[in-house]
Amino acid sequence: EVQLVESGGGLVQPGGSLRLSCAASGFPFSSYWMHWVRQAPGKGLVWVSRIDTDGNSKTYADSVKGRFTISRDNAKNTVYLQMNSLRAEDTAVYYCAKLGSGTSNFDSWGQGTLVTVSS
Amino acid sequence: DIQMTQSPSSLSASVGDRVTITCQATQDITNSLNWYQQKPGKAPKLLIYDASNLKTGVPSRFSGSGSGTDFTFTINSLQPEDIGTYYCQQYDDLLRTFGQGTKLQIK
Repeated sequence: EVQLVESGGGLVQPGGSLRLSCAASGFPFSSYWMHWVRQAPGKGLVWVSRIDTDGNSKTYADSVKGRFTISRDNAKNTVYLQMNSLRAEDTAVYYCAKLGSGTSNFDSWGQGTLVTVSS
Repeated sequence: DIQMTQSPSSLSASVGDRVTITCQATQDITNSLNWYQQKPGKAPKLLIYDASNLKTGVPSRFSGSGSGTDFTFTINSLQPEDIGTYYCQQYDDLLRTFGQGTKLQIK
């Protein structure tokens, strides 16, 4: 069974940093691109970032470019999201997600981890 | 970046009704569109992929159509368990984008 478990969320002050982790199991992690999607309280889904299978290709939404860094450790089956220079508008539940095999749809999601940016 | 405009933002319908949600892209995305359902406090679930293909195990009352810039998601014979928020999502562009969501309630 595919499992994605996010961790690392919490309360952080504006301008601060946080690193999110997403531990994967139940599938060949190193063969899949991984994504982060966020959802502000009461708002819609927003795609944040993605990383290819070996970590060499990374893409970011304009709203986080230059502040967030996605990375992965295939030996640990874990994808990370390093978030720097955090702003109030980054407050959201952050989900990691994987695409279905050979598809372009998100077939598995984690439960999400809440990041709150507030003084 | 490709923007997705979804409408309506909310709607209320009765059990048994036919419900339609539309999604419009700012440029041609061929059929590179998925539809998801999200229930409160839960992660989204895929319902429709490649604009019109029903994910295995999803009830046949759900359907999708369209190509290019205009897409439609339909629920035939709305059921109580269908309440939630529905999102379209394009994958034609490297920067994936979602529609704003449609919150569906039962009258």
